[in-house]
Amino acid sequence: DSGVTQTPKHLITATGQRVTLRCSPRSGDLSVYWYQQSLDQGLQFLIQYYNGEERAKGNILERFSAQQFPDLHSELNLSSLELGDSALYFCASSAAGAAPSNTGELFFGEGSRLTVL
Amino acid sequence: AQKVTQAQTEISVVEKEDVTLDCVYETRDTTYYLFWYKQPPSGELVFLIRRNSFDEQNEISGRYSWNFQKSTSSFNFTITASQVVDSAVYFCALSEAGPWYNQGGKLIFGQGTELSVKP
Repeated sequence: DSGVTQTPKHLITATGQRVTLRCSPRSGDLSVYWYQQSLDQGLQFLIQYYNGEERAKGNILERFSAQQFPDLHSELNLSSLELGDSALYFCASSAAGAAPSNTGELFFGEGSRLTVL
Repeated sequence: AQKVTQAQTEISVVEKEDVTLDCVYETRDTTYYLFWYKQPPSGELVFLIRRNSFDEQNEISGRYSWNFQKSTSSFNFTITASQVVDSAVYFCALSEAGPWYNQGGKLIFGQGTELSVKP
């Protein structure tokens, strides 16, 4: 158990719909990252938040947005869903910047599997 | 641009065999991090190792060992005496050094190598 919690674990929805994926990082971790794993694109970095602020962006579509709340949990919002958005979405957290002993390890949640029909 | 290549898509071995998973990376940065992650059939991503670009010492952890060679831009992973529980997809990843609040979190992953260990 990595300590990172993602909900829901599975989600099936229709094209054009909007969904929200939720992530609770490990206790004390300030950084949250979102990754997408699909068959054709592999594992891709989407976006990072640090202590509530967006810090880095990757290949995130304009239809997708994210935020990190004061309690440090994060949500990834996916709208106007298309068939190609079907993927496993991972959240990860790290103690980046917290201490010299930080190994830089990213702790991944179990993922939220989104199926768009 | 940064890139990670895992040329081996699938590898199948018999239990107790040694197996090496190859990883070749490209980056223009002089400071960067390299990672290996394991994704078992259950789907989660499990951290195995992180290595920074200034540390070329090979590392051994039990049956696992890693060979980092900057001269060939490779970071290969060897499992000695493989076991059925080692069956998983293994990902190599690269990250730029980045600012202090993003120490290696923005990873570029290879396509993964699916390892199947048969009894």
